[in-house]
Amino acid sequence: EVQLEESGGGLVQPGGSLRLSCVASGFTLSSYSMNWVRQAPGKGLEWVSYISGSSSTKYYADSVKGRFTISRDNAKNSLFLQMNSLRAEDTAVYYCARDSNWGWCFDYWGQGTLVTVSS
Amino acid sequence: EIVLTQSPGTLSLSPGERATLSCRASQSVSSSYLIWYQQKRGQAPRLLIYGASSRASGIPDRFSGSGSGTDFTLTISRLEPEDFAVYYCQQYGSSPPYTFGQGTKLEIK
Repeated sequence: EVQLEESGGGLVQPGGSLRLSCVASGFTLSSYSMNWVRQAPGKGLEWVSYISGSSSTKYYADSVKGRFTISRDNAKNSLFLQMNSLRAEDTAVYYCARDSNWGWCFDYWGQGTLVTVSS
Repeated sequence: EIVLTQSPGTLSLSPGERATLSCRASQSVSSSYLIWYQQKRGQAPRLLIYGASSRASGIPDRFSGSGSGTDFTLTISRLEPEDFAVYYCQQYGSSPPYTFGQGTKLEIK
């Protein structure tokens, strides 16, 4: 069974940093591109970042470019999101989502981890 | 950046009725890259439709997608109680950002 489990969320002050993790199970992580998607409280979904299976290609939303860094450790079945210079508007539930290998879509999602940026 | 606009914002219907949700793109989107997700309160999104019209594994056939170019539709033929949720369209093109629509909330009338 495919499972994605995020962790690392919490309360952080504006300007602070946080590192999110997503542990994958039930499939070979290296064979899949991965994404982070966030959802502010009561709001819609916002794509944040993408990383290819080999880490050779990375993309970021303009709203996080230069502040967030996506990475992965395939040997440890893990995906990461390093978030620096956090702002109040980064407050959201952060989901990791797997790129399907058979169609252009996100076929599995984790349950999310809440990041709250507040003083 | 491609902007997706979903309508209506909220749709109030009764179980057994037909639901029609719209997703309009600011520029043409390949049908291969148009996706629909369902999100229930407190849960992660769930893949419903990919490639504009292909149902994901395990999705009942009362869900169907259609459209091309800039206009896409998600139809639920006969609403079941478990279908009341928020629905998002997404475009996953050849380059980012992979934008989502703002969502349509389907509520019980």
